[in-house]
Amino acid sequence: DAEITQSPRHKITETGRQVTLACHQTWNHNNMFWYRQDLGHGLRLIHYSYGVQDTNKGEVSDGYSVSRSNTEDLPLTLESAASSQTSVYFCASSDGAWLNTEAFFGQGTRLTVV
Amino acid sequence: AQSVTQLDSQVPVFEEAPVELRCNYSSSVSVYLFWYVQYPNQGLQLLLKYLSGSTLVKGINGFEAEFNKSQTSFHLRKPSVHISDTAEYFCAVRTNYGGSQGNLIFGKGTKLSVKP
Repeated sequence: DAEITQSPRHKITETGRQVTLACHQTWNHNNMFWYRQDLGHGLRLIHYSYGVQDTNKGEVSDGYSVSRSNTEDLPLTLESAASSQTSVYFCASSDGAWLNTEAFFGQGTRLTVV
Repeated sequence: AQSVTQLDSQVPVFEEAPVELRCNYSSSVSVYLFWYVQYPNQGLQLLLKYLSGSTLVKGINGFEAEFNKSQTSFHLRKPSVHISDTAEYFCAVRTNYGGSQGNLIFGKGTKLSVKP
């Protein structure tokens, strides 16, 4: 069965370190998204991609970057981790051809910056 | 810009009682509306979606939602809840407008707590 997986599930890192969160999907979806989930804020869009070599900034992109070298993967990099980036991160994908299709979510990565 | 407002951050309810989780959106263009559920320590799972046609949409686990264009609402309902419905529920909107087409915009979520 097709799926979307995130790794690691939990990560503790120190302030100032570079961190990369992995997202891999086997749906062959063109669209991929990264969200962060914080209490009182719901899910906020960090970056998104509509296809290979395409990346776009979302609502809360400062301090984050993504790259899309193939269809399956959209890694999220925190260039210099800050305590404000402690959060739960969700990756999602959807079929770019149809706006009325659902987005599929990974299980999330809980990141703690100390 | 599109936005989604979930009017209640927390909704406590007793088992077997009916529940309504409210959602309003703001958009002047065609929208697609979704409700997702998040069980503790899990990702989001689609409950139901409104695309077009009938304004009453039925989803999984006995949930349904009604699209009301004049009130720009998409409230989620269940006639009788179970303990297992305890979760956080997110309303989301997706539009075909401009460069952000395909992006889901989420509300802040409503935590449903079902008590015995």
